[in-house]
Amino acid sequence: GENVEQHPSTLSVQEGDSAVIKCTYSDSASNYFPWYKQELGKGPQLIIDIRSNVGEKKDQRIAVTLNKTAKHFSLHITETQPEDSAVYFCAASPNSANAGGTSYGKLTFGQGTILTVHP
Amino acid sequence: KAGVTQTPRYLIKTRGQQVTLSCSPISGHRSVSWYQQTPGQGLQFLFEYFSETQRNKGNFPGRFSGRQFSNSRSEMNVSTLELGDSALYLCASSLEGPPGSYEQYFGPGTRLTVT
Repeated sequence: GENVEQHPSTLSVQEGDSAVIKCTYSDSASNYFPWYKQELGKGPQLIIDIRSNVGEKKDQRIAVTLNKTAKHFSLHITETQPEDSAVYFCAASPNSANAGGTSYGKLTFGQGTILTVHP
Repeated sequence: KAGVTQTPRYLIKTRGQQVTLSCSPISGHRSVSWYQQTPGQGLQFLFEYFSETQRNKGNFPGRFSGRQFSNSRSEMNVSTLELGDSALYLCASSLEGPPGSYEQYFGPGTRLTVT
């Protein structure tokens, strides 16, 4: 099955700096890669995602890059703010239309990165 | 549009008891997935339902079960609770449609404590 490794486990930056979180995956059938932000006492919130037919996607201060050959993808947050402090999770999933019953609804998550942005 | 709702938000049970958790997906979403979140194991997939059918199941014992109703609402049940079942149980809903919509939106979770 799929295995997702996420690094670093903790990341501390100054307000205004950039933050980068990296993930690697093992299953070449995976083609959907979302990123979630989880604040204390809340469920994970989808912040950006990327599919395997694109190499990069941006949404304001957040960007995600994907290297399918190397099986890794990264989250980039620029101009960090204290409200960006949270736990961030990467995940991977195969295309349910191709992988069928073993993939429906299943996201495999990384272990999470605790991001702290100091004012 | 209202988000995913889960009830109850907090629950305390005793070993050996059983528990039922409820999830209402986003209106129009037909796929519901359940996850268990613990500090040691992280987020782990339990099962997924679509149109009242379980389409996929994770590596959890048979004590963990679920079902989905015709209105897409879902419940999960854990029987014979063990201390290790203490966790945050998360429900996520997704809009399934050709060629396949993958975005999963999570609810706030139910915090289960087993004593």
